[in-house]
Amino acid sequence: QVQLRESGPRLVKPSETLSLTCSVSGGSVSRYYWNWIRQPPGKGLEWIGCIYSSGSTNYNPSLKSRVTISADTSKNQFSLKLDSVTAADTAVYFCARDVLTTWGDYYYGMDVWGQGTTVTVSS
Amino acid sequence: EIVLTQSPGTLSLSPGERATLSCRASQSVRSSYLAWYQQKPGQAPRLLIYGASSRATGIPDRFSGSGSGTDFTLTISRLEPEDFAVYYCQQYGDSLRTFGQGTKVEIK
Repeated sequence: QVQLRESGPRLVKPSETLSLTCSVSGGSVSRYYWNWIRQPPGKGLEWIGCIYSSGSTNYNPSLKSRVTISADTSKNQFSLKLDSVTAADTAVYFCARDVLTTWGDYYYGMDVWGQGTTVTVSS
Repeated sequence: EIVLTQSPGTLSLSPGERATLSCRASQSVRSSYLAWYQQKPGQAPRLLIYGASSRATGIPDRFSGSGSGTDFTLTISRLEPEDFAVYYCQQYGDSLRTFGQGTKVEIK
């Protein structure tokens, strides 16, 4: 059974870079998309971006200029970096897996999620 | 970028009642690209429905999804106490993912 776990600093200063890692256990990172999603306090879900096991990435246009997602397949991990953070980036950050068929004609949704980690941006 | 708008914002119902949640897209979404999630306080979202109408593994059959084009619906046929939660629709399109803003189903 695949499990995901987010890790990283819980407190980040304004203007600095938020860095999180998602560790994948119980399965391979191959042939899946690996996503970052965040949820500000009391608000809804916002998709940040994803990486495919091949290394290709896609980002939310509203965050694209500040986001980098990378993967280390040898460690079964993928990571998020968010630059120049402000208080508006305070949120619970989730990692999640989703599945798309090879030809892209069917999407199976985000079927595995980490428990989430709270990141606060404050001086 | 496709925007998903969910309605109502809050649905107040009693256990045993039927819940109907709406998700409207700003442009047409392929049905095979539409999913629904349930989130309870302090927990990660849980996948309920994918492909607009297929239940995920272990999801009870009181949950059903329907719709096409720009209008999609999640129906809970008879609310159980554990169903009171926030529900999100989500779509995949042009390699991006977007979520609706959520509908809270609360106990009346």
